[in-house]
Amino acid sequence: AQSVTQLGSHVSVSEGALVLLRCNYSSSVPPYLFWYVQYPNQGLQLLLKYTTGATLVKGINGFEAEFKKSETSFHLTKPSAHMSDAAEYFCAVTTHGNKLVFGAGTILRVKS
Amino acid sequence: DSGVTQTPKHLITATGQRVTLRCSPRSGDLSVYWYQQSLDQGLQFLIQYYNGEERAKGNILERFSAQQFPDLHSELNLSSLELGDSALYFCASSHDRNYGYTFGSGTRLTVV
Repeated sequence: AQSVTQLGSHVSVSEGALVLLRCNYSSSVPPYLFWYVQYPNQGLQLLLKYTTGATLVKGINGFEAEFKKSETSFHLTKPSAHMSDAAEYFCAVTTHGNKLVFGAGTILRVKS
Repeated sequence: DSGVTQTPKHLITATGQRVTLRCSPRSGDLSVYWYQQSLDQGLQFLIQYYNGEERAKGNILERFSAQQFPDLHSELNLSSLELGDSALYFCASSHDRNYGYTFGSGTRLTVV
């Protein structure tokens, strides 16, 4: 079965600083990986996904993530944080024929 | 607007009561998924339907049931409600599960 571990339930960065949200997965077969963002009182919005092909994937709002098989990681980054990035971020994994499994989430705080 | 519609947005009910949550998937999506989000449990997969048939079951209580109708909308029925059932209930739909889900904005259930 697949699983996801998000390191750090809370991350705080200054506006303009690098954002790095960590995600490690466990899967016995090639995974499909996703990052979702949830703003207060809203649903989850897909930021980006990795299925096959290029391991560096770009998403919306300037976010990107790199699939590293050797490290079983799929960390989310953004070069320069903006106040509007403050939200909760979820990493998720699935494999063919299985449900989407979510990590516990990381709350990103952006300080002015 | 994600294309997935959930009603109602908010629901307040008493313990022991029964409620029905409704979800209309994005046009063309055959799969519907139900998730429960609470502070202590995070995002928990409840159940999946594909074109009217149950496909996968997760941590769904026996007091809960769901169905998907011929027009592909789905309903989640929660009965004998307890205080601990208070949570956000999300519906998501997908055309192909390996390419991510599209989430609705959720139904916030409060049991008093």
